[in-house]
Amino acid sequence: EIVLTQSPGTLSLSPGERATLSCRASQSVSSNYLAWYQQKSGQAPRLLIYGTSNRATGIPDRFSGSGSGTDFTLTISRLEPEDFAVYYCQQYGTSPLTFGPGTKVDIK
Amino acid sequence: QLQLQESGPGLVKPSETLSLTCTVSGGSISSSSYYWGWIRQPPGKGLEWIGSIYYSGSTYYNPSLKSRVTISVDTSRNHFSLKLSSVTAADAAVYYCARPGARDYPIYYMDVWGKGTTVTVSS
Repeated sequence: EIVLTQSPGTLSLSPGERATLSCRASQSVSSNYLAWYQQKSGQAPRLLIYGTSNRATGIPDRFSGSGSGTDFTLTISRLEPEDFAVYYCQQYGTSPLTFGPGTKVDIK
Repeated sequence: QLQLQESGPGLVKPSETLSLTCTVSGGSISSSSYYWGWIRQPPGKGLEWIGSIYYSGSTYYNPSLKSRVTISVDTSRNHFSLKLSSVTAADAAVYYCARPGARDYPIYYMDVWGKGTTVTVSS
């Protein structure tokens, strides 16, 4: 199975700052089928990005995704108070579907 | 608007079988051509895909759980179910049901999620 590694484990930033989250795969992700989710405490994950760089419905344009092969990035251009949460990457190019361990973005 | 709702016992004894149901509202399982999935999240940990089922009953399971998992569908009741046998403390988690973002794909990103249900394993 494809193992996803996310870094950093925790990112401490202030509102208005730029956040850069990394997701690395143990092997190439087929068709760049890489998604990103946001999860707040006590809630289900919320889809942000699919296909590496496509924003899901209703996701603000401060969220963007990039990358290919084994290295992917989620960027939040200017952090809003509601963006402090845990972010997971997920690959869906190869079965079984797998998730990264998450990056927590907290308030500095 | 499509909504998913998990239900089932919140407490299961070790070695017994965990049984959960996901009820779909705002859409029909049988006419949608989607796979329907289960994902779990142990306390304080990440997400793990358990498996997915098509309205026809075709299933895909995570190999790590395959020997203990059965997912079934009841189109007349518009719900699908999860059974996980021989549970241990390691199976304690929030269990989510979810739907992929495209028809006919068992392995895909999930764009509709239930709110999740917490299962504790204890005697």
